[in-house]
Amino acid sequence: DTGVSQNPRHKITKRGQNVTFRCDPISEHNRLYWYRQTLGQGPEFLTYFQNEAQLEKSRLLSDRFSAERPKGSFSTLEIQRTEQGDSAMYLCASSFPRTGGTRDTEAFFGQGTRLTVV
Amino acid sequence: AQKITQTQPGMFVQEKEAVTLDCTYDTSDPSYGLFWYKQPSSGEMIFLIYQGSYDQQNATEGRYSLNFQKARKSANLVISASQLGDSAMYFCAMREADYKLSFGAGTTVTVRA
Repeated sequence: DTGVSQNPRHKITKRGQNVTFRCDPISEHNRLYWYRQTLGQGPEFLTYFQNEAQLEKSRLLSDRFSAERPKGSFSTLEIQRTEQGDSAMYLCASSFPRTGGTRDTEAFFGQGTRLTVV
Repeated sequence: AQKITQTQPGMFVQEKEAVTLDCTYDTSDPSYGLFWYKQPSSGEMIFLIYQGSYDQQNATEGRYSLNFQKARKSANLVISASQLGDSAMYFCAMREADYKLSFGAGTTVTVRA
């Protein structure tokens, strides 16, 4: 399978615990994005990497959230001291810019990690 | 301000008929891209169709077509010959110069046999 892979698919954790999610993008894609989606809403941008550099972080990404992309390959998203409000689907996407013109590739999404904080 | 507006929370369509999903957007960027994604109950976001702001023709991909009206800032998705498997949530999204996608709230489509 050469698509975007996310692990785990589901995570149930107790409030106050730390959790870490992993995203493996499509191998030639240098851009990687994390989004959060709550029930009945569209995904909201969290953060974005170009290669290993984290270029932008949303205000939604509180100090309890940290994302890394060592070596510009896979990425991890860690949530410390989880709260019930963190319960959501966490989506990872990757893309690669086309050369020339104004068109980028579409972002390809993984199947997401559904987090439930109890 | 909301960048992407989808005003239809849910729609029903008869199998084999066409359905139009509305999307309006707001940007001052001259270069942007508009996307439609399908999200079935399994949760995966599936790319359907793309329209660039400088593209002269409306995009088409199989049964999907995008009705792009730049002056009105609208990018409606038309699904022709609806199938039962088209039942899902549909999201309109926009990419501006900063590369991240801004999504609308989505439209749930239910195809009836």
